[in-house]
Amino acid sequence: QSALTQPASVSGSPGQSITISCTGTSSDVGAYNFVSWYQHHPVKAPKLMIYEVSNRPSGVSDRFSGSKSGNTASLTISGLQAEDEADYYCTSYTTSSTVVFGGGTKLTVL
Amino acid sequence: QIQLLQSGAEVKKPGASVKVSCKASGYTFTNYPITWVRQTPGQGLEWMGWINTHSGNTIYAQKLQGRVTLTTDTSTSTAYMELRSLRSDDTAVYYCARVGAGPYDEIAFFDYWGQGTQVAVSS
Repeated sequence: QSALTQPASVSGSPGQSITISCTGTSSDVGAYNFVSWYQHHPVKAPKLMIYEVSNRPSGVSDRFSGSKSGNTASLTISGLQAEDEADYYCTSYTTSSTVVFGGGTKLTVL
Repeated sequence: QIQLLQSGAEVKKPGASVKVSCKASGYTFTNYPITWVRQTPGQGLEWMGWINTHSGNTIYAQKLQGRVTLTTDTSTSTAYMELRSLRSDDTAVYYCARVGAGPYDEIAFFDYWGQGTQVAVSS
């Protein structure tokens, strides 16, 4: 199972919005609405930010939103803040009953 | 509160095995599967497999099939990940996480994570 494709890096200024894409295939992202997004700061455990394409867990800012079209899912962060600087990973359940991660995207807040 | 507490760092020689534990608290252990994820140095996150804590059924990533075994001890609400025939590229931080499952036991998301366990493989 190949990793989902994410841009290696994205950047934005405080207050701006950015979008991170996550491209898979009809065997993963396109097959189910079980796409989730994780924020990962170095030396900390990953944190669930979005689940089932567009749902936010309790306690996650509404500046984070998710969507999906076909084989591509997206994470949008609006009103960028310095604390948002981190690595972001998407995942998807697959038709093989496994999970595949994206390669990760490093977000830099300028 | 829900917590997953992992065992401490390990240093192993190539060819050896390592067993990492993950003790859950704050919820009913057998109601949620557990998954394992690792991050190798400078690389991204890699899914290793998951275990249904109620039935004991497991699914492993194809890349690790045959070298990894996931088990649980429901009496202590503890999950275990054993990796055998260690190689230098198994050096990584290993995480356990609680799984939120879909209506047909799909692996939907990972909502609570352990703190991570560093495993170093070196001769």
